[in-house]
Amino acid sequence: EPEVTQTPSHQVTQMGQEVILRCVPISNHLYFYWYRQILGQKVEFLVSFYNNEISEKSEIFDDQFSVERPDGSNFTLKIRSTKLEDSAMYFCASSGTGYNEQFFGPGTRLTVL
Amino acid sequence: SQQGEEDPQALSIQEGENATMNCSYKTSINNLQWYRQNSGRGLVHLILIRSNEREKHSGRLRVTLDTSKKSSSLLITASRAADTASYFCATPYNQGGKLIFGQGTELSVKP
Repeated sequence: EPEVTQTPSHQVTQMGQEVILRCVPISNHLYFYWYRQILGQKVEFLVSFYNNEISEKSEIFDDQFSVERPDGSNFTLKIRSTKLEDSAMYFCASSGTGYNEQFFGPGTRLTVL
Repeated sequence: SQQGEEDPQALSIQEGENATMNCSYKTSINNLQWYRQNSGRGLVHLILIRSNEREKHSGRLRVTLDTSKKSSSLLITASRAADTASYFCATPYNQGGKLIFGQGTELSVKP
């Protein structure tokens, strides 16, 4: 069964460093998302991506964040200058249409020291 | 907001019992989705019920939707220890599909 994959599973970085989180969505999906979950809190929407552009972003997704689909398979989330409060699990998801169920990856645990 | 709010926040039952979780939302929806999250893991889609459906089954799962009350319920029958997880409802906010999650119901099934 096709699945969404994410790498790395765990990333430790120093405050101020840039990180890139990688995702490979399900191949025939058209909608891509990033969510995050701070430990003990609910899952929060960050950004949605469709037709090679951001379709929606949350207040969390400020200028420090960017997304890219550099080729036909990868979908990346970049944080330019990490802050302590960026420590969280980051989940990538993809969907065939905007209204369909979303398939989530296993997540990347980002720890900012 | 399209936010789903689950109730109860926590539920503890014995293996073999049924578990019922409820979800309320605020505005009109295209569909409502239920997800499960095992501790520290990604979310797994369980079931999607469209706004013109009233009930849907999938294995031991039964979901109902009452659009007049803006509420949904998820019933897990004959629960197992492996059902221990957090359960979330969510609705796509718009055609772009942004999902808004609530705090979830933390289900504990004791063997």
